Amino acid sequence: QKEVEQDPGPLSVPEGAIVSLNCTYSNSAFQYFMWYRQYSRKGPELLMYTYSSGNKEDGRFTAQVDKSSKYISLFIRDSQPSDSATYLCALFSGGYQKVTFGTGTKLQVIP
Amino acid sequence: NAGVTQTPKFRILKIGQSMTLQCAQDMNHNYMYWYRQDPGMGLKLIYYSVGAGITDKGEVPNGYNVSRSTTEDFPLRLELAAPSQTSVYFCASRSGLNSNQPQHFGDGTRLSIL
Repeated sequence: QKEVEQDPGPLSVPEGAIVSLNCTYSNSAFQYFMWYRQYSRKGPELLMYTYSSGNKEDGRFTAQVDKSSKYISLFIRDSQPSDSATYLCALFSGGYQKVTFGTGTKLQVIP
Repeated sequence: NAGVTQTPKFRILKIGQSMTLQCAQDMNHNYMYWYRQDPGMGLKLIYYSVGAGITDKGEVPNGYNVSRSTTEDFPLRLELAAPSQTSVYFCASRSGLNSNQPQHFGDGTRLSIL
């Protein structure tokens, strides 16, 4: 079983839709959870960072963590064509431990 | 505010050639990382460093070498390029002051070996 599972998509939605992106994980030692956005031919850009269960909101983006279910989500409200990118979840247990990345979900928002 | 800078952005190599991928950061971060990203495979850790003079292997170190003589620079060396090393390479860094801070990435080097 992979440490982190992420549906690769692609996911196509109309502009203005609510998007839900998800990752499941198996290692209960993970304590820190991140979402990165990666545009084509660019490096991953940190979007959201959280270290506790519950929700964290930043503008149109909400990161949700459920440690009991080992499930993390990223919600995008009022999606825009500029949100079209690949979204990677990333998890680590802190300190010197390595970060484990999901394979990424490709999102396309159609005008 | 440059962040993490990678050079070159794109390179074609012949099998057996060598080259060095450059990475520099201006955030005074202690931790630096090299990843490769292949389609559908996510990011795989090649090497990492927790400070100047200290490096360690990641998941896929074979065929690569690194050095860390300064806090700012973390070059990745390919000695004998092989087609399996065709990939996009990303350098990342994070602060060591708070060991739980997330990584910040450069824009990558696209490497093709023919």
